[in-house]
Amino acid sequence: DTGVSQDPRHKITKRGQNVTFRCDPISEHNRLYWYRQTLGQGPEFLTYFQNEAQLEKSRLLSDRFSAERPKGSFSTLEIQRTEQGDSAMYLCASSVPGQGREKLFFGSGTQLSVL
Amino acid sequence: GQQVMQIPQYQHVQEGEDFTTYCNSSTTLSNIQWYKQRPGGHPVFLIQLVKSGEVKKQKRLTFQFGEAKKNSSLHITATQTTDVGTYFCAGTHGSGNTGKLIFGQGTTLQVKP
Repeated sequence: DTGVSQDPRHKITKRGQNVTFRCDPISEHNRLYWYRQTLGQGPEFLTYFQNEAQLEKSRLLSDRFSAERPKGSFSTLEIQRTEQGDSAMYLCASSVPGQGREKLFFGSGTQLSVL
Repeated sequence: GQQVMQIPQYQHVQEGEDFTTYCNSSTTLSNIQWYKQRPGGHPVFLIQLVKSGEVKKQKRLTFQFGEAKKNSSLHITATQTTDVGTYFCAGTHGSGNTGKLIFGQGTTLQVKP
């Protein structure tokens, strides 16, 4: 399978704990995006990378959130001191720029539940 | 802020009936994309519209982009049970040369066999 891979699929944590999610994009895609989706809503943009450079962050991304893509391949999203409001599906997507407007390929997501 | 609104939120149809979902933006979009998310799944790209007034078809699906590039619609003719899922429109602003999309809330389609 050469699609976007996310790990873990599900994460249950207690409020105040730190969590980290991983995303492996499609190998030739140099852009990588993080989105968050809550029940009954569309995905909301969080941040994106081109290669290892983080080019944009949403105002939704508080100081407790940090994302990295150290070698321009996989990416991690860390949430520190989790809150119940962080409970959501965290979706990663990748794309190839420069081929007209970008089409996103989403992974299956990591479902976070903060108790 | 920039918003994309989508209606209706839910639609239940009998198999064979048509279905339409509408998408409206508060500001002009550079392009609009449509995604389908099956229950328990992730969004899957369907199509992208770029030009004012553009119409594209994929088998039973017809996509339109408004003349003012502020609205769009997806019409499904003769729905089938395989059409079940949530349909999202997603727009971009500015140059539109990134995957930073503003998604609508989605329309969830249920099809009764």
